[in-house]
Amino acid sequence: DTGVSQNPRHKITKRGQNVTFRCDPISEHNRLYWYRQTLGQGPEFLTYFQNEAQLEKSRLLSDRFSAERPKGSFSTLEIQRTEQGDSAMYLCASTKSGTREQYFGPGTRLTVT
Amino acid sequence: GEDVEQSLFLSVREGDSSVINCTYTDSSSTYLYWYKQEPGAGLQLLTYIFSNMDMKQDQRLTVLLNKKDKHLSLRIADTQTGDSAIYFCAEIPGSARQLTFGSGTQLTVLP
Repeated sequence: DTGVSQNPRHKITKRGQNVTFRCDPISEHNRLYWYRQTLGQGPEFLTYFQNEAQLEKSRLLSDRFSAERPKGSFSTLEIQRTEQGDSAMYLCASTKSGTREQYFGPGTRLTVT
Repeated sequence: GEDVEQSLFLSVREGDSSVINCTYTDSSSTYLYWYKQEPGAGLQLLTYIFSNMDMKQDQRLTVLLNKKDKHLSLRIADTQTGDSAIYFCAEIPGSARQLTFGSGTQLTVLP
């Protein structure tokens, strides 16, 4: 069990560019969550998947954001036309249905210049 | 995180006990959590408590839950410099599946 992994760990991009992040959950975990954390704040929920189905999206997830989990394993989060306000740490977490522990990955830190 | 509130800073001396407090507003919350975050890192799950429990102990960590006052605390016994980090309280409200976090308490352990 290697834990939740996220790539890349850091991303610097220019405003207006598209970026994509990847999350690999713990292998037997069927639920996967994306959160966003800005400086000095706790993480805020963006979206979650059960297997390949995206079951809930926060209103924070504007139409520039899209998330996928095509085979119910890894997930990608894409941000189109990035804005400076998108600069944050993007965290992924996973859990198994019927359990209550959500385990987090190390995060991807996005800086939009 | 406006539904979960924490004080921002706490300083303690090495070897003392630390108590980090949290209040939440959703009375339907069934599980309450404590996570630890070190600089530049993700969140480490420390412990969680089911709402029908008053207390949970796990080695140096003690969680106390006052459901009537919607108050949760985390006590760290014999605090060490390695405990310096930000501690987040979180809840899963109602029928939700996602966590709602407080803003975190920065714990500084002084030698």
